[in-house]
Amino acid sequence: KNQVEQSPQSLIILEGKNCTLQCNYTVSPFSNLRWYKQDTGRGPVSLTIMTFSENTKSNGRYTATLDADTKQSSLHITASQLSDSASYICVVRSGSQGNLIFGKGTKLSVKP
Amino acid sequence: DTGVSQDPRHKITKRGQNVTFRCDPISEHNRLYWYRQTLGQGPEFLTYFQNEAQLEKSRLLSDRFSAERPKGSFSTLEIQRTEQGDSAMYLCASSSVVGGTGELFFGEGSRLTVL
Repeated sequence: KNQVEQSPQSLIILEGKNCTLQCNYTVSPFSNLRWYKQDTGRGPVSLTIMTFSENTKSNGRYTATLDADTKQSSLHITASQLSDSASYICVVRSGSQGNLIFGKGTKLSVKP
Repeated sequence: DTGVSQDPRHKITKRGQNVTFRCDPISEHNRLYWYRQTLGQGPEFLTYFQNEAQLEKSRLLSDRFSAERPKGSFSTLEIQRTEQGDSAMYLCASSSVVGGTGELFFGEGSRLTVL
């Protein structure tokens, strides 16, 4: 069964600290993996999209990694800011035009 | 604004009433998706269109739900005889199947509260 699991479910960190969010998937065939940021009450916004051949991709203070062998991805946030408080959703596409499998998200709270 | 727009952003209705949501995708995108999201959960797929054709419907889309995209541009999602369990955020997203990675661009969502 195609599944995307994220951990932790929620995370509280202090402003300025780094954090890493995890995404494990059992999706086959794999096409690409995306990380989205979703502010409370808003629609998700894309952070990165990674294909099979990509190991690391950065977008400002966000760095995503992908290990296609172990079917794991991580999203590292550097020097967190209050505005990073949001849910971060991992999404895996199955096949070139296939279904998108959504994780339940990690809710990140950055405290001053 | 050239992003995905949804209307209304918020809707409060009484149980048993019908509601309709509208989504205007990015103009050159030929795929349009509807998702439902409840608190603390990721979006759940409801249905998607390629141009005006509805290509897939989730089992979540009961017979009270109907979606249309009559001219391959904007789409509507109607819920008839609403139930309290229909309370959720309804998200619309669009993408292009021509080139690129098929990345989804989401709207801000329409939040439904059924009293």
